[in-house]
Amino acid sequence: DADVTQTPRNRITKTGKRIMLECSQTKGHDRMYWYRQDPGLGLRLIYYSFDVKDINKGEISDGYSVSRQAQAKFSLSLESAIPNQTALYFCATSDPGQDKGYGYTFGSGTRLTVV
Amino acid sequence: DAKTTQPPSMDCAEGRAANLPCNHSTISGNEYVYWYRQIHSQGPQYIIHGLKNNETNEMASLIITEDRKSSTLILPHATLRDTAVYYCIVLGGTASKLTFGTGTRLQVTL
Repeated sequence: DADVTQTPRNRITKTGKRIMLECSQTKGHDRMYWYRQDPGLGLRLIYYSFDVKDINKGEISDGYSVSRQAQAKFSLSLESAIPNQTALYFCATSDPGQDKGYGYTFGSGTRLTVV
Repeated sequence: DAKTTQPPSMDCAEGRAANLPCNHSTISGNEYVYWYRQIHSQGPQYIIHGLKNNETNEMASLIITEDRKSSTLILPHATLRDTAVYYCIVLGGTASKLTFGTGTRLQVTL
C-alpha cells in the first residue's frame, strides 16, 4: 500500500456541489498538507496541519476547508465547488527535524473537474 | 523564504549529465536548498538537499557555490525516466512549509 493514499483519484462534480477529498497516511507523520496544481504551474499550499489540533491556512485557502480526523487522516472539502477549482490536488506528509523541507511524501493526486 | 530562479526548460541527451541551475541570491545562513522533481502528474519526489557543502546520493549530486547564492543539481547519467519538472526550493529558519515555483522542465532525449 502507498504511504500516502488519496481518494478519489478522479472526480467530476457539478458547480455548487459539496465535495470531500480524503487523504490517509501510514508514515506516522504529524504534519500533513494539501496542495493544488494548475496546468503549467507549481504546487500551491491550501491548508496544512502540524498535529491533530493544529490547522493553518495556506496561500489559497478561500473556498476550501479541512478536517484532521486523526494523525493519519486529513480531508479537504470544497463547500460549494466552482469551475476554477478544477485542478490536481495533492496531499503530503512530513516529519521534519532541522531539515524542514526534507522527506515530504506526496500522494498520487486527485484530479478534480468542476463542470 | 528566499526566492529561487530556474530556467523554464532544458534538454539533455540520454546518458549525458544533466546540470540544472538554480539562483537563490537572497538565501540566508540557516536556509537549506532542496530539490524535488515531479514526473508527469505524479506527486513530487524528494531528490536531495544541502546547506553549504556539496552533497551526493544515489539519485544526484548537489553543488552549492561558496557564497551560497546559487546551486546546481547534477544527474550524472540522465535517462528517459528522468524527464520531469525539477523544483529548487529554499527553506529554513522560521518558515516551515515547502513552497513550489514553476521549476525547470527537463526533457531527456535519445
